[in-house]
Amino acid sequence: QVQLQESGPGLVKPSETLSLTCTVSGYSIRSGHYWAWIRQPPGKGLEWIGRIDRSGGTYYNPSLKSRVTISVDTSENQFSLKLTSVTAADTAVFFCGRLDPWYFDSWGQGILVTVSS
Amino acid sequence: QSALTQPASVSGSPGQSITISCTGTSSDVGGYNFVSWYRQNPGKAPKVMIHYVTNRPSGVSDRFSGSKSGNTASLTISGLQAEDEADYYCSSYTSSGTLVFGGGTKLTVL
Repeated sequence: QVQLQESGPGLVKPSETLSLTCTVSGYSIRSGHYWAWIRQPPGKGLEWIGRIDRSGGTYYNPSLKSRVTISVDTSENQFSLKLTSVTAADTAVFFCGRLDPWYFDSWGQGILVTVSS
Repeated sequence: QSALTQPASVSGSPGQSITISCTGTSSDVGGYNFVSWYRQNPGKAPKVMIHYVTNRPSGVSDRFSGSKSGNTASLTISGLQAEDEADYYCSSYTSSGTLVFGGGTKLTVL
């Protein structure tokens, strides 16, 4: 049974870069599927950030594309998110998930990241 | 990409049926049979209830069903139960190779 776990700082300063990692267990990223990041501002809806495949191929939400980088480390069975130049509007719970291939069959528990000085 | 359009809230009494709509465009909902529905309880990660418009994953009650007509997909919950109270989100694949979510619908069981 695949499990995903987000990790990273819970507090990031404005204008800095938000960095998160999703560790996958119970399934090898090398085996396939797409892997994605989603965020949810407090009290608001879900927003798809982007996805990556085992080879590093990526697709990003056009509204975030200029600030987002998703990468994969198959040796560690992890994939990561970097979001640059953050503002308070980027405060959200960030989820990682596995796509099969166009719906999420597994989710991490989520991690709250607050942007504040 | 614009979020898919869902009603902000719906409500129903126990035993009744409710339907949540999800409206997009021909570039997402209308163009592909890749619409999925998720239930999210407070403080939890979403859980898929329907995928590829009509498919119900193993373990999901057959009270949940999905359909699509043109650019609008729908989730129907029959025999409403108190445990169904949650937020529901639709999602669709898009012609750009991305995914897009709906704004979410809060279901209240009266």
